[in-house]
Amino acid sequence: AQSVSQHNHHVILSEAASLELGCNYSYGGTVNLFWYVQYPGQHLQLLLKYFSGDPLVKGIKGFEAEFIKSKFSFNLRKPSVQWSDTAEYFCAVRGTYKYIFGTGTRLKVLA
Amino acid sequence: DTAVSQTPKYLVTQMGNDKSIKCEQNLGHDTMYWYKQDSKKFLKIMFSYNNKELIINETVPNRFSPKSPDKAHLNLHINSLELGDSAVYFCASSGQGNGYTFGSGTRLTVV
Repeated sequence: AQSVSQHNHHVILSEAASLELGCNYSYGGTVNLFWYVQYPGQHLQLLLKYFSGDPLVKGIKGFEAEFIKSKFSFNLRKPSVQWSDTAEYFCAVRGTYKYIFGTGTRLKVLA
Repeated sequence: DTAVSQTPKYLVTQMGNDKSIKCEQNLGHDTMYWYKQDSKKFLKIMFSYNNKELIINETVPNRFSPKSPDKAHLNLHINSLELGDSAVYFCASSGQGNGYTFGSGTRLTVV
């Protein structure tokens, strides 16, 4: 069965700290992986995606993610977070005709 | 122009009422979805339509009925609303090789 796990439910960081959010997936076929961000009161927006090729993917706003096939992981990273990065972050894997979302990680960045 | 638009943005209604949420996308995408996001921010797929054809119907009460008059529209009708239906409902669409584009959400409150 397809599934996505995000182990960090709540993360609190100070500005300029480095960020890494974990995402592990379970899927038998070719994976398409995504990270979405949801700012307070807003809809989900695509941060970055991996389909194939270079396993290190760069997205918007300085975010990047690394696909490690052997670990079934697609962790999200940012070297230096800002207060405006406070949001909910969702990892997702695309299965047949639908996306499976992780439960989300709530990031709070302290100014 | 908004790519995926949902109306209304907010909906407050009494238990037992029937209500509809509309969704339209102007991206030319073939597939549209309805997701429910509960108070814990968990995103759960409800329905998926591909070219007006229902392809995913997750375990959702049959009080929820989607309608797709054409591939640019996917409406959600809810009969006999219950307190537990209170949530944010997101419409989304996707095309070949892309991630989702989400609508801004409809916050439904049943009182």
